[in-house]
Amino acid sequence: GNSVTQMEGPVTLSEEAFLTINCTYTATGYPSLFWYVQYPGEGLQLLLKATKADDKGSNKGFEATYRKETTSFHLEKGSVQVSDSAVYFCALSPIQGGSEKLVFGKGTKLTVNP
Amino acid sequence: DTGVSQNPRHKITKRGQNVTFRCDPISEHNRLYWYRQTLGQGPEFLTYFQNEAQLEKSRLLSDRFSAERPKGSFSTLEIQRTEQGDSAMYLCASSHGVQEAQYFGPGTRLLVL
Repeated sequence: GNSVTQMEGPVTLSEEAFLTINCTYTATGYPSLFWYVQYPGEGLQLLLKATKADDKGSNKGFEATYRKETTSFHLEKGSVQVSDSAVYFCALSPIQGGSEKLVFGKGTKLTVNP
Repeated sequence: DTGVSQNPRHKITKRGQNVTFRCDPISEHNRLYWYRQTLGQGPEFLTYFQNEAQLEKSRLLSDRFSAERPKGSFSTLEIQRTEQGDSAMYLCASSHGVQEAQYFGPGTRLLVL
């Protein structure tokens, strides 16, 4: 079946540090991949997405590249800010190019200290 | 466009009672999804609609759960005879077709005592 595995948190960084949150997936076919972010007390917000192999999604300084050979979609940011503190979820949709019946990882909590 | 809204935001109920949650999707979004999120876990898919048609239900959705989207706009999720294991955050999301990303509401947090 389809599944997503994220690195376990929590992750604590200092402001301006480099961030990597690992995400690997198991899926049949050609899934679409997503990163969502959940700020304290708020709903999930779409951060970025990639719909086919070698696509790079980017938004607000965050990037992730769809690597089919390693079945990975790692999230990176070159310089984190305190305002990036949140829980980050990697997710896949089994539909190529689509977004349906999302399968989520367990989430990784990020805390950025000033 | 005000985004996906959910009501109530919080619900506390006693075991055995029925509860109903409402989701108002982004206008003109024809797809609507329900997910459940327990503490420390990612959301889990429950069911989804295309317009008023319920297309799929997860095996997580027992017979005590029912969802409707009568006019293809807002949706309701009802849980009958609630159990303590139903305590969770219930999330609603909508999208403009299968090719578009899902946009989530703030969720309804249910606590069953």
